[in-house]
Amino acid sequence: SQQGEEDPQALSIQEGENATMNCSYKTSINNLQWYRQNSGRGLVHLILIRSNEREKHSGRLRVTLDTSKKSSSLLITASRAADTASYFCATDSSQAGTALIFGKGTTLSVSS
Amino acid sequence: EAQVTQNPRYLITVTGKKLTVTCSQNMNHEYMSWYRQDPGLGLRQIYYSMNVEVTDKGDVPEGYKVSRKEKRNFPLILESPSPNQTSLYFCASRCTGCGYTFGSGTRLTVV
Repeated sequence: SQQGEEDPQALSIQEGENATMNCSYKTSINNLQWYRQNSGRGLVHLILIRSNEREKHSGRLRVTLDTSKKSSSLLITASRAADTASYFCATDSSQAGTALIFGKGTTLSVSS
Repeated sequence: EAQVTQNPRYLITVTGKKLTVTCSQNMNHEYMSWYRQDPGLGLRQIYYSMNVEVTDKGDVPEGYKVSRKEKRNFPLILESPSPNQTSLYFCASRCTGCGYTFGSGTRLTVV
């Protein structure tokens, strides 16, 4: 069952520009998480935002959460070529025993 | 170093030959999970475990088995692999309310 849906599916920008990715989900959640995956490698946890939080920062990353709209956004500021990767949102549902459910991801390409 | 270790990294096998992909974590996490990743389908959960001796089916459990006899280990077993199980597999663990730590992945090809 797909919970998170990222938008856009693919994004190409120049180094130094900001990249914004969006995630929409369907059911109530405990928290929402963003991950990065470099091609063929394991996912790396970037940031977790709880359902009672609206915004969170980590370095060049800014995540917002709007539970009324069931959506989240990930902003990467001043992007670098090394940010080229796929980005996934994952939801931790309120239902007991339900583990993280991932969206299909946004592929970000940053060119120098 | 806190990590999830899965082996092997690459595996080519023949249809019907039982195999096990091992997964071990050193963070004392209660939650562990297996995902498969396929082009266009994203990450889909196969099985997960909330604690020792507690396992549950994810979205695509058919053709797979798991066990959780110890907290640190969560092997994935394919009793009779088929070509449609060719995929990239990830093991992951996490603490309650935390993000997942992923293993490096196992690329399985079943011919």
